[in-house]
Amino acid sequence: ETGVTQTPRHLVMGMTNKKSLKCEQHLGHNAMYWYKQSAKKPLELMFVYSLEERVENNSVPSRFSPECPNSSHLFLHLHTLQPEDSALYLCASSQLGTREPNEQFFGPGTRLTVL
Amino acid sequence: GQSLEQPSEVTAVEGAIVQINCTYQTSGFYGLSWYQQHDGGAPTFLSYNGLDGLEETGRFSSFLSRSDSYGYLLLQELQMKDSASYFCAVTRGSARQLTFGSGTQLTVLP
Repeated sequence: ETGVTQTPRHLVMGMTNKKSLKCEQHLGHNAMYWYKQSAKKPLELMFVYSLEERVENNSVPSRFSPECPNSSHLFLHLHTLQPEDSALYLCASSQLGTREPNEQFFGPGTRLTVL
Repeated sequence: GQSLEQPSEVTAVEGAIVQINCTYQTSGFYGLSWYQQHDGGAPTFLSYNGLDGLEETGRFSSFLSRSDSYGYLLLQELQMKDSASYFCAVTRGSARQLTFGSGTQLTVLP
């Protein structure tokens, strides 16, 4: 256990559905991240929140909408997804403002299948 | 933009030493990290180099040359449990964002 939990672990949804992924970190960290991991591709950084402010949005389609209500929780709201969005979605957290390396702690991921 | 190159696959036998190389192109570089990911698992942090040179952590060592935009992960006394994917990642930006390489699948044979 890394101290980062994600729910659900598996999700199957149709292209017209709306669903949300949840991430919670129990480490007291001040930064949280969403990554997408597709087969045969590197982990892709989607969103970064530092002190609950969005720092980066890597040209992610608007059908993905993040929300960070507090430093411990991060959501990824999904709507009208495409089959190519099927992937493992990983959440991570880290403590910024301390000495490097500011390692990131990953949750187990949500395996998303879009039909 | 950022890009990282690392071999896609490496195979070695138990007890051997293996080196996984990583070259990168990036802006706003703070350091190079290495993560391990077993099948079905989450990536876990292994090592970080913010300065040139070698960092040693038990059986694992990592090296960085900033002038060459190059680093490597060295795994010694390989064990079967080391079979996994290994990712290099550049650390950049105010939130220490990670940009990952495509990963190296290490297979350790008995």
